Amino acid sequence: RKEVEQDPGPFNVPEGATVAFNCTYSNSASQSFFWYRQDCRKEPKLLMSVYSSGNEDGRFTAQLNRASQYISLLIRDSKLSDSATYLCVVNTYNAGNNRKLIWGLGTSLAVNP
Amino acid sequence: NAGVTQTPKFRILKIGQSMTLQCAQDMNHNYMYWYRQDPGMGLKLIYYSVGAGITDKGEVPNGYNVSRSTTEDFPLRLELAAPSQTSVYFCASRMTENYGYTFGSGTRLTVV
Repeated sequence: RKEVEQDPGPFNVPEGATVAFNCTYSNSASQSFFWYRQDCRKEPKLLMSVYSSGNEDGRFTAQLNRASQYISLLIRDSKLSDSATYLCVVNTYNAGNNRKLIWGLGTSLAVNP
Repeated sequence: NAGVTQTPKFRILKIGQSMTLQCAQDMNHNYMYWYRQDPGMGLKLIYYSVGAGITDKGEVPNGYNVSRSTTEDFPLRLELAAPSQTSVYFCASRMTENYGYTFGSGTRLTVV
């Protein structure tokens, strides 16, 4: 099992739709979680951190499910500008009990007019 | 604040040449990182630093070297470039391990 797994998509949705992505992680000791977005040929940009209690930022909602070891990102009222790749990032521990950051391969979203 | 600045943005190298990718941040972040991203692949950590004078290998350090003489700068050195080093290189920094990264805009390197 990969340490961090995401459905690569692509997700094609119409403007105004609600779309959700999941990201599963294998290490139950993982500490912190993030969602980044990456536009084509650009650098990743932090979208939001994911807190245990769940958090919301405008149209975006992130949730953490420790029991099932996944995080989710919900986008409401999709805009054309939301088209991007969404990367899940997990702060976890390696065999030597040192922290390391694991990046998912990303989920591609295309919002269509 | 400029954030994280990477230079150059593009470079073509011949096999066996060397170069240094520059990275500078003005946010007084202790933690700095070099990643490479290949098409269809996730970000792979090359080297990282938790403060001036301290560097450590990531997942894919072979063929690269780094130094961290100041808090602001974290250059990545490629010695004897190989086609396998064709990639997009991102530098990033963050305040602590519990914060998200700020990335530079990347360097697109082609080795021919």
